[in-house]
Amino acid sequence: KDQVFQPSTVASSEGAVVEIFCNHSVSNAYNFFWYLHFPGCAPRLLVKGSKPSQQGRYNMTYERFSSSLLILQVREADAAVYYCAACSNDYKLSFGAGTTVTVRA
Amino acid sequence: DAGVIQSPRHEVTEMGQEVTLRCKPISGHDYLFWYRQTMMRGLELLIYFNNNVPIDDSGMPEDRFSAKMPNASFSTLKIQPSEPRDSAVYFCASRAGQGAYGYTFGSGTRLTVV
Repeated sequence: KDQVFQPSTVASSEGAVVEIFCNHSVSNAYNFFWYLHFPGCAPRLLVKGSKPSQQGRYNMTYERFSSSLLILQVREADAAVYYCAACSNDYKLSFGAGTTVTVRA
Repeated sequence: DAGVIQSPRHEVTEMGQEVTLRCKPISGHDYLFWYRQTMMRGLELLIYFNNNVPIDDSGMPEDRFSAKMPNASFSTLKIQPSEPRDSAVYFCASRAGQGAYGYTFGSGTRLTVV
């Protein structure tokens, strides 16, 4: 069965680098998507692709079956749920269960 | 563009009642997806449409769930009869064409079945 795995929680302190690891067993998936979700809002795309990439404070590493999202200089306002998704050839996204990031002041 | 619009934002209903969730995709987007979000499973794909035709409904949990897309600007997800375990946030998303990069999510409908 196609599955995407990511840790359920990651704790950090302000100013640190947060790393969220994700791996998958989705057949024909070559791209990763990382979404940020605040409760009550629409999930928002942070970074995506099939190679390492960066968008502002968000870095994405890439391997064929795994990716990490790195949040640089994390702030209290970054506390949220982060979803990893693997994108297969038919452009369908398979999501992980989400990682709740907590940030201590 | 107003983005993907879902209604209602919140729905509270009694067990056994019929619930209908609505979604208006972004104009011009020919793919529409329904996801369910729970604490345990995160975002699960329920069903998706291409050009109003259901392509993959393997994620629909059981026969109590049904989805329709009568035209390019409207889709519904119906649960009949509803059960407490259906309580979750239901998201609709749409995208254009072959590229996956145009995925846009709605703000979701929080369903509570008591």
